[in-house]
Amino acid sequence: DADVTQTPRNRITKTGKRIMLECSQTKGHDRMYWYRQDPGLGLRLIYYSFDVKDINKGEISDGYSVSRQAQAKFSLSLESAIPNQTALYFCATRTSGGTDTQYFGPGTRLTVL
Amino acid sequence: TQLLEQSPQFLSIQEGENLTVYCNSSSVFSSLQWYRQEPGEGPVLLVTVVTGGEVKKLKRLTFQFGDARKDSSLHITAAQPGDTGLYLCAGASGSARQLTFGSGTQLTVLP
Repeated sequence: DADVTQTPRNRITKTGKRIMLECSQTKGHDRMYWYRQDPGLGLRLIYYSFDVKDINKGEISDGYSVSRQAQAKFSLSLESAIPNQTALYFCATRTSGGTDTQYFGPGTRLTVL
Repeated sequence: TQLLEQSPQFLSIQEGENLTVYCNSSSVFSSLQWYRQEPGEGPVLLVTVVTGGEVKKLKRLTFQFGDARKDSSLHITAAQPGDTGLYLCAGASGSARQLTFGSGTQLTVLP
């Protein structure tokens, strides 16, 4: 079984709809991240969390919100989706100690029409 | 915002050729990582370099961290079709050691 899972894997929605992307991990890591990937732009950080009560904005947080319901779960919400939020979304985890290695989920392809 | 410039953006070569991908910044990083991403999957770590001037080898892949810890390169010797994929560099910085990603190099190795 995968250590970092994301649901759904693909989603097509319409402008103005509320969307939630979910991430779960079995690695026991305390730090979790949400990234967005667009062609030619690499991965950009949306939000990150170091613990259940800790939420931090990343480079491109506008239009997004997150919830860290438990150490193993980190969800990303788009309150009112717009077409330029069409992208690949990745969740990642890492431990607070040791190396800077992040472990990524398989991604969610979101299309906003 | 720290920036990592990665080049080239696209690279298409024949099997057996050598290639180098570059990752440059004006900022200093505490570590530099290289990831590889396949279609439909998330990035997977290839290597982490930490010390300025450090060179690491992973079979036919050689990774180097610049002396000033601002740049890095990935060299592939005798590329094979199985090397095809998106290669991403990422620099860690700040007290939280957040990762800043380069824009990626899409490598295609033709048989």
